[in-house]
Amino acid sequence: DAKTTQPPSMDCAEGRAANLPCNHSTISGNEYVYWYRQIHSQGPQYIIHGLKNNETNEMASLIITEDRKSSTLILPHATLRDTAVYYCIVRVTGNQFYFGTGTSLTVIP
Amino acid sequence: GAVVSQHPSWVICKSGTSVKIECRSLDFQATTMFWYRQFPKQSLMLMATSNEGSKATYEQGVEKDKFLINHASLTLSTLTVTSAHPEDSSFYICSARTAHSYEQYFGPGTRLTVT
Repeated sequence: DAKTTQPPSMDCAEGRAANLPCNHSTISGNEYVYWYRQIHSQGPQYIIHGLKNNETNEMASLIITEDRKSSTLILPHATLRDTAVYYCIVRVTGNQFYFGTGTSLTVIP
Repeated sequence: GAVVSQHPSWVICKSGTSVKIECRSLDFQATTMFWYRQFPKQSLMLMATSNEGSKATYEQGVEKDKFLINHASLTLSTLTVTSAHPEDSSFYICSARTAHSYEQYFGPGTRLTVT
C-alpha cells in the first residue's frame, strides 16, 4: 500500500516555481523518497529521489524535512510541458514502488 | 540511456482470447522488472515483480494464473493476459531496474481493450 499522501491537484503560473508537497509520516529510516511524473497516457518519468538530505538535479529540487515525515518537490521555473501527474513514492524494503494518488499539476500560461 | 520499450503500444482483442505484452530494456540489463496496471483516472497499481530466471511474485489480489509473467532474459519480460475479459481492459505498464540502482525505468505502456 502507498505510504504517501499528496494534494489531488495544484495550479502554477508559467515561469513560477511549483512546490509540490508530500506527506510520508510512516516512513522508515532506510526508505527512500522518489518522485516521478506521468504525462497523459505515457509511462512515468523519473524526476529525483533522496533519503534525508536535500537533492537537486537538472529537473528539480527535493527538500526533505529533518524528521523525514514530509518532503517537497520544487520545479524552479514551471513550463507548460510540466503539466502532469506527480507521484511521491516511498520505496519499501522489498524495492517495490506503491503509487499513491499523486498530484495533478496544471501549469497555466 | 535506460530506455524501456513495450510492444504492442495498443491492442484490441476479443473476450476469451489471450494477449501477450512484451517489455524490453534496450540499453541495460534488467535484473528485476515490474508490471503495473492503470485504470482511467486512477493511479498505477503494482501487479507483480519478476526477477530474471525465477518465478514472479504477485501482489495480493492479482491472479497468477490469469496474468502469466515470464522473465526469461535480462532484457525481456512478457505479460500474458489469459482468457481476457472486458474488465481486463486497462493500461499496462512495465518498469525495469538494474542490479546497481533501485531507480525504476518505465516503459511507455500498452493499452489493452477487450471487446
